[in-house]
Amino acid sequence: DSGVTQTPKHLITATGQRVTLRCSPRSGDLSVYWYQQSLDQGLQFLIQYYNGEERAKGNILERFSAQQFPDLHSELNLSSLELGDSALYFCASTDRGGFGNTIYFGEGSWLTVV
Amino acid sequence: GQQLNQSPQSMFIQEGEDVSMNCTSSSIFNTWLWYKQDPGEGPVLLIALYKAGELTSNGRLTAQFGITRKDSFLNISASIPSDVGIYFCAGRTQGGSEKLVFGKGTKLTVNP
Repeated sequence: DSGVTQTPKHLITATGQRVTLRCSPRSGDLSVYWYQQSLDQGLQFLIQYYNGEERAKGNILERFSAQQFPDLHSELNLSSLELGDSALYFCASTDRGGFGNTIYFGEGSWLTVV
Repeated sequence: GQQLNQSPQSMFIQEGEDVSMNCTSSSIFNTWLWYKQDPGEGPVLLIALYKAGELTSNGRLTAQFGITRKDSFLNISASIPSDVGIYFCAGRTQGGSEKLVFGKGTKLTVNP
């Protein structure tokens, strides 16, 4: 158990809909990362938050957005869903500290768009 | 953007054999991480490397941070069936970005 909690574990929704994925980082971790993993693809970095503020942005679509709340949990919002958005979405959090910190992953949220 | 080339893409080995996989990059990294992912699960950190030339072991796993800072390898000795899974390398570059770049993974199959 990495200590990173993600909900829901599985989600099936229709095209055009909007969903919210939730993440609770490890206790004490200030940074939260979101990654997307499609079938046969590696992990694609979407976005990172640190203590409530956006820190880095990757290949995140404009239809997607995220935020980190004062209690440090984070939500990833996916809207106008398309079939190609079906993927495993991971949240990860980091150790306190800067240089050399590692990243711990949650178990992921399986999103299926039909 | 930054790319990591991970090889091999897949491996089929017999139980007891040793395994080696590696990652290379055109960019210099200041951190290399190796993860294992089981089906339907999140990646689990195996080994973290922070200095060029660093060699670190975790049980039967050994990983090294290349001297050039552009590569890393992971070795698994005396493989067992539970080693099956996908192994990912990940690197963080020097500079302000904190995001990790992942390789596409090496899928390991171990035949009993």
